[in-house]
Amino acid sequence: AQKITQTQPGMFVQEKEAVTLDCTYDTSDQSYGLFWYKQPSSGEMIFLIYQGSYDEQNATEGRYSLNFQKARKSANLVISASQLGDSAMYFCAMRERGSARQLTFGSGTQLTVLP
Amino acid sequence: NAGVTQTPKFQVLKTGQSMTLQCAQDMNHNSMYWYRQDPGMGLRLIYYSASEGTTDKGEVPNGYNVSRLNKREFSLRLESAAPSQTSVYFCASSEGETRDSRTRLFFGEGSRLTVL
Repeated sequence: AQKITQTQPGMFVQEKEAVTLDCTYDTSDQSYGLFWYKQPSSGEMIFLIYQGSYDEQNATEGRYSLNFQKARKSANLVISASQLGDSAMYFCAMRERGSARQLTFGSGTQLTVLP
Repeated sequence: NAGVTQTPKFQVLKTGQSMTLQCAQDMNHNSMYWYRQDPGMGLRLIYYSASEGTTDKGEVPNGYNVSRLNKREFSLRLESAAPSQTSVYFCASSEGETRDSRTRLFFGEGSRLTVL
């Protein structure tokens, strides 16, 4: 079973509008962390935002916020006031406390911001 | 301000050839990782090293070997390359205790490998 599911292979948004990228996860752990990374066309992986399973507030980092719904096991990324430079692939990832090893990644969402 | 450095950035191999991808980090991180990225599949872990002298298999280790040469360096070797190993390879490192769920990964710029 997929641990991280990103159901939107591609998304389009108009410049200056907000966009939500979906991410659902599957874990039986009570303690886990959720991450979003951005991969522009140049290829590097850029960390955007982190949400801990015990964090009571939704994480925010500038124009990025994470809509964390624990009961639904979803951790959607919200980008406000989209910019052309936001066009990129976005990956959701999870680390479970029981795993000493890795982040498990979703398949990604390709976001295109239209002028 | 190098962070995680991978070499080479591009490589073309013939089936059966061998090669080593090099990775070095200058952030004094304990843990290092090798991932591969394929279209539609996100990043998948190949091997991991929690600390100098230790390595462990990830999700897709077959066909690869790794060496944690010292705290800074973690290499990935393809002994006999196959077309299925055509991919983009990322090295990453992380600080602190890897069991901490908030520990994030810092990535290199990736190495694009094509096996003909």
